Amino acid sequence: QVQLVESGGGLVKPGGSLRLSCAASGFTFSDYYMSWIRQAPGKGLEWLSYISSTGSYTNDADSVKGRFTISRDNAKKSLYLQMNSLRAEDTAVYYCARDQEYDSSGQPFDYWGQGTLVTVSS
Amino acid sequence: QLVLTQSPSASASLGASVKLTCTLSSGHSTDAIAWHQQQPEKGPRYLMKLNRDGSHSKGDGIPDRFSGSSSGAERYLTISSLQSEDDADYYCQTWGTGIRVFGGGTKLTVL
Repeated sequence: QVQLVESGGGLVKPGGSLRLSCAASGFTFSDYYMSWIRQAPGKGLEWLSYISSTGSYTNDADSVKGRFTISRDNAKKSLYLQMNSLRAEDTAVYYCARDQEYDSSGQPFDYWGQGTLVTVSS
Repeated sequence: QLVLTQSPSASASLGASVKLTCTLSSGHSTDAIAWHQQQPEKGPRYLMKLNRDGSHSKGDGIPDRFSGSSSGAERYLTISSLQSEDDADYYCQTWGTGIRVFGGGTKLTVL
């Protein structure tokens, strides 16, 4: 069955950096776009970034553009989010989710990970 | 601009039915959406993709109690025979080239 497992969250000081990982299994990882989504405490879901199946194309929400970088390693079936210049308002649970297939068929977010908590605080 | 609008809250009694609404912004009334459920202290779970004509395809293991329908720019999620585990937040979501958008979510309380 499809599984997505995030890791790498934790406590970081403002201005610091953190790299999140998402390990995928149960499907052909290299056939799918992938996305990162976050949820601040008590708030709704916010899409952050997505990456094409080959990794050649990415797009980011304005809130993280220039600070966060999405990447993937298809050989390792892993998705990453490099987060730099972190701010208190980046405190959230971060989820990875399977996105559309390489030919843009299907729909985004049909499978989600369990999330990893990032806390930005001094 | 692609925006999804949801009512912040809804409530219904155990065993009853409830219909949640998601409204697509102007110019996007024919777009498909997806519905996701988030139970307390859990990650989101995909419920279904809902098309403009009301046809929908549900995720793995989603009970028949969950169904979708459409009218114009509105997309609906109907939950029948409400159970306590349906007490959750429900998010609609849509997508375009290079963008994914969530509605603000509806908190459903099962009384």
